[in-house]
Amino acid sequence: SAVISQKPSRDICQRGTSLTIQCQVDSQVTMMFWYRQQPGQSLTLIATANQGSEATYESGFVIDKFPISRPNLTFSTLTVSNMSPEDSSIYLCSVSPEASYNEQFFGPGTRLTVL
Amino acid sequence: KQDVTQIPAALSVPEGENLVLNCSFTDSAIYNLQWFRQDPGKGLTSLLLIQSSQREQTSGRLNASLDKSSGRSTLYIAASQPGDSATYLCAVKGGSYIPTFGRGTSLIVHP
Repeated sequence: SAVISQKPSRDICQRGTSLTIQCQVDSQVTMMFWYRQQPGQSLTLIATANQGSEATYESGFVIDKFPISRPNLTFSTLTVSNMSPEDSSIYLCSVSPEASYNEQFFGPGTRLTVL
Repeated sequence: KQDVTQIPAALSVPEGENLVLNCSFTDSAIYNLQWFRQDPGKGLTSLLLIQSSQREQTSGRLNASLDKSSGRSTLYIAASQPGDSATYLCAVKGGSYIPTFGRGTSLIVHP
């Protein structure tokens, strides 16, 4: 299994500012995933982050808006840039360790409100 | 492109009932299927993982089945309790190892 922590757990931000969300895993993993969950909706994949390479973004998400860092095999950050109220969501970090038969594990999420 | 549908979207039942939540998917070439529970404003908790070669998995009062050929999975909850109230999500993983999620079933179990 994998235990994932995220910081911050929640934040309230002003329009036009940026927030960086941290994700720490208790074991080394190849792939880390960042998801967004808008109110009342299911999960939408933002990007997949592999250590040592550029993140791969899904359609509708761009690096300028959601820059991602992956400096090592246990840590990643997602920045939400130039925020607007439409960015108010829960942001979730996820991993899928090969050693756990690719079971998907999620962090507790970061609840972001943009005013 | 994999599409995952969960039925019903919402369910409200009295305590003690046995429940069946449904998940259907369009592409049967899957690697695994996973059921999650999500409490309001929280992350996802993995409940059961079924590999493509398996037919079912059980954990306590939960039983999940998988029929790849028909593109269906069911989550059976026995003797439901108020603490089971949550949203239940189904996720299907294919060759890309990136899961596709359904929209979830919102369950309320009232005393």
